[in-house]
Amino acid sequence: DGGITQSPKYLFRKEGQNVTLSCEQNLNHDAMYWYRQDPGQGLRLIYYSQIVNDFQKGDIAEGYSVSREKKESFPLTVTSAQKNPTAFYLCASSRDREETQYFGPGTRLLVL
Amino acid sequence: AQSVTQLGSHVSVSEGALVLLRCNYSSSVPPYLFWYVQYPNQGLQLLLKYTSAATLVKGINGFEAEFKKSETSFHLTKPSAHMSDAAEYFCAVSDAIGNEKLTFGTGTRLTIIP
Repeated sequence: DGGITQSPKYLFRKEGQNVTLSCEQNLNHDAMYWYRQDPGQGLRLIYYSQIVNDFQKGDIAEGYSVSREKKESFPLTVTSAQKNPTAFYLCASSRDREETQYFGPGTRLLVL
Repeated sequence: AQSVTQLGSHVSVSEGALVLLRCNYSSSVPPYLFWYVQYPNQGLQLLLKYTSAATLVKGINGFEAEFKKSETSFHLTKPSAHMSDAAEYFCAVSDAIGNEKLTFGTGTRLTIIP
């Protein structure tokens, strides 16, 4: 059963803490993406990766970091430098950057 | 620079009635246009896309959209609403090929009245 999984579904962050959101896909897609969604706003691109071991900043990369060591995995770390991390985070993948994106179910990050 | 405006953050229609969700774009070059649907607490799913072929684009679940260059619009329609259409709908524009270049609208929440 192919698809994109994100974990956890809900994540709580304490002040000054780094947290990592998981994104895994078994679709054999080269490209992967992280978006942030806030109420009443559209999706905003945080980071994207077109191929393993390569990634680029999106529109709102400050306070976030990523890695792409494996084709299937694209974890996102929300660092303590991100002062307003509360949001719904969506991961997506596509066969390549021109093909249709498929989205995971999302992780909701809340600050304690 | 590209931008997209979705008129109406909330739209309610009766079951069986016409669905019309509005999207206007701004782009300095011929755009690529997309409609996505998001069900509660889920990711987005592509409904349809316009990539400079036919101006009337048919998508999944009975939805279609028409690209009107003179009006800079890409409105989404469905002839007869179903309860399962209740969701949030996002219009997106890109002035070049590449998913990383998409600009998303703020979304329209569609409610279906029984």
